[in-house]
Amino acid sequence: QVQLVESGGGVVQPGRSLKLSCAASGFTLSGYGMHWVRQAPGKGLDWVAVIWYDGSNKYYADSVKGRFTISRDNSKNTLYLQMDSLRAEDTAVYYCARDVFMGRMVDAFDIWGQGTMVTVSS
Amino acid sequence: AIRMTQSPSSFSASIGDRVTITCRASQGISSYLAWYQQKPGKAPKFLIYAASTLQSGVPSRFSGSGSGTDFTLTISCLQSEDFATYYCQQYYNYPRTFGQGTKVEIK
Repeated sequence: QVQLVESGGGVVQPGRSLKLSCAASGFTLSGYGMHWVRQAPGKGLDWVAVIWYDGSNKYYADSVKGRFTISRDNSKNTLYLQMDSLRAEDTAVYYCARDVFMGRMVDAFDIWGQGTMVTVSS
Repeated sequence: AIRMTQSPSSFSASIGDRVTITCRASQGISSYLAWYQQKPGKAPKFLIYAASTLQSGVPSRFSGSGSGTDFTLTISCLQSEDFATYYCQQYYNYPRTFGQGTKVEIK
């Protein structure tokens, strides 16, 4: 069964760091582009970052550039999002999502995790 | 960044209705558009990519059309399980951007 499971969310103070994980099962993570998408409470979807299927490129939303880092460990079949210098406006459910095609980038997301909540508050 | 604007933001419809949601891009995006459905407390579900290609397993009552700047998602015969919020998303360039969502409610 193809599945993504996020973990690592929680409550964190402004300015602190948090690292999210996304464990893949049923497919090989390294063959796909992988994304993080977030959703603030009661709001719409907000794309955060992508790592290409071959790891050759990473792109970020302007709002997180320089603060967030996307990475993956192919041996663990796991995607990560390192979030530094967190702000109140980063409060959201964070989803990892898989690109629809293996071996090339389309950046449409066919498989989503269940999400992990990040709350930035003092 | 490309701005995606959906209309309407919400509306009410009845089971069996034909409904259409519009998505407009602030610049041309060819056919690099996807649609998603989201129900409360759940992750989004992938419906359509390349503006009109139905993802495997998605009911045929869903269809998409358009290119350039104007796109539509149509549900030909609304079912009870279709009441949800729908989002368009462009993948023409980075950063990827979503529309603000269209909530379809029961009349």
